[in-house]
Amino acid sequence: DTEVTQTPKHLVMGMTNKKSLKCEQHMGHRAMYWYKQKAKKPPELMFVYSYEKLSINESVPSRFSPECPNSSLLNLHLHALQPEDSALYLCASSQEGQPQHFGDGTRLSIL
Amino acid sequence: QKEVEQNSGPLSVPEGAIASLNCTYSDRVSQSFFWYRQYSGKSPELIMSIYSNGDKEDGRFTAQLNKASQYVSLLIRDSQPSDSATYLCAAPYEGSSNTGKLIFGQGTTLQVKP
Repeated sequence: DTEVTQTPKHLVMGMTNKKSLKCEQHMGHRAMYWYKQKAKKPPELMFVYSYEKLSINESVPSRFSPECPNSSLLNLHLHALQPEDSALYLCASSQEGQPQHFGDGTRLSIL
Repeated sequence: QKEVEQNSGPLSVPEGAIASLNCTYSDRVSQSFFWYRQYSGKSPELIMSIYSNGDKEDGRFTAQLNKASQYVSLLIRDSQPSDSATYLCAAPYEGSSNTGKLIFGQGTTLQVKP
């Protein structure tokens, strides 16, 4: 069990679909993160939100669209993804200067 | 030099032995280090953090930081088969513009054989 909750755990979608990944934390952390992880590779940072504002976008393609509705929630909207986008998508949160805590991830498969 | 480097392994040790996992780093990272354990198909789990020179112990785990030599290590005493996982070393990037940005090593796969 983790204190960062991600839904869904698994997602299969076609290349023309629109779907969203959700992340929630109730630890009062003010920074939230999206990562993408491929097999046998470390997590790769996509976005950072600090105090509900986007602070880092690691040149992620526009088919990935993050949203932070409030300090506890983080969404990742997906549209027109490619097969190479299949991966484990991880959400994390932290206080400034403190280690990040990861959710269980969403295993995404693009058909 | 990569900012954070780890030997990908696999590192194989017998049950009950000490497993030693190492990580070197460049000047581009801040002087805080985190060790994450990741089981196959699961998410990374924070197991140790270290912020100052020297050793930090937590149960069977000891993290060691040597700033002069720019390396950080994780020792696992009395290794168990359940310790078999990939261990990721991570550190924040230096600089305010990179606030919150962690750089990960490639991870070392540990195999503990019964």
